[in-house]
Amino acid sequence: DTGVSQNPRHKITKRGQNVTFRCDPISEHNRLYWYRQTLGQGPEFLTYFQNEAQLEKSRLLSDRFSAERPKGSFSTLEIQRTEQGDSAMYLCASFGWGTGELFFGEGSRLTVL
Amino acid sequence: AQSVTQLGSHVSVSEGALVLLRCNYSSSVPPYLFWYVQYPNQGLQLLLKYTSAATLVKGINGFEAEFKKSETSFHLTKPSAHMSDAAEYFCAVSEITGGYQKVTFGTGTKLQVIP
Repeated sequence: DTGVSQNPRHKITKRGQNVTFRCDPISEHNRLYWYRQTLGQGPEFLTYFQNEAQLEKSRLLSDRFSAERPKGSFSTLEIQRTEQGDSAMYLCASFGWGTGELFFGEGSRLTVL
Repeated sequence: AQSVTQLGSHVSVSEGALVLLRCNYSSSVPPYLFWYVQYPNQGLQLLLKYTSAATLVKGINGFEAEFKKSETSFHLTKPSAHMSDAAEYFCAVSEITGGYQKVTFGTGTKLQVIP
């Protein structure tokens, strides 16, 4: 499978715990995006990487959130001291410059109890 | 700033009936426009895209959309709904800003198909 891969698919955690999500983009795509989607809403932009450089961050990305893409390949999104409001689907997408479209993974659903 | 408005958070159609999902956009530059479909607990799948070529765009699963600049619209249609079309549909607008492709999504329209 050469699509975008995300794991874990589901994560249930208690408030205050840290969680980390991983995204493996399509191998030839150097641009990677993270989005957050809550119930009844469209995906909201969180952050963008070009290769290993994080070039844009949304105001939604509080200081409890950190994203990395250390070697310009896979990316991680860590949420520290989780809050119930962090419960959402976290979507990763890689950008196909030739096709001009985002390719999405299946998402990581976070539930904070 | 670019934005997308999807009219109607829920649309119900009978199987075999016309599907029409509405999308209006706002963009300061000629935009790229997309429709994505999302099935429960899954990511988004591209249905079709407009990239300044033909204004009538055909996509997968029999869907098509027409770009109307004068109306700033990009409505999604399908002549005959199928049960498998039941899903949530998102319109998105994309433009290059600050050196990267910024993609903004609408709030989605959930399509129900009634047998």
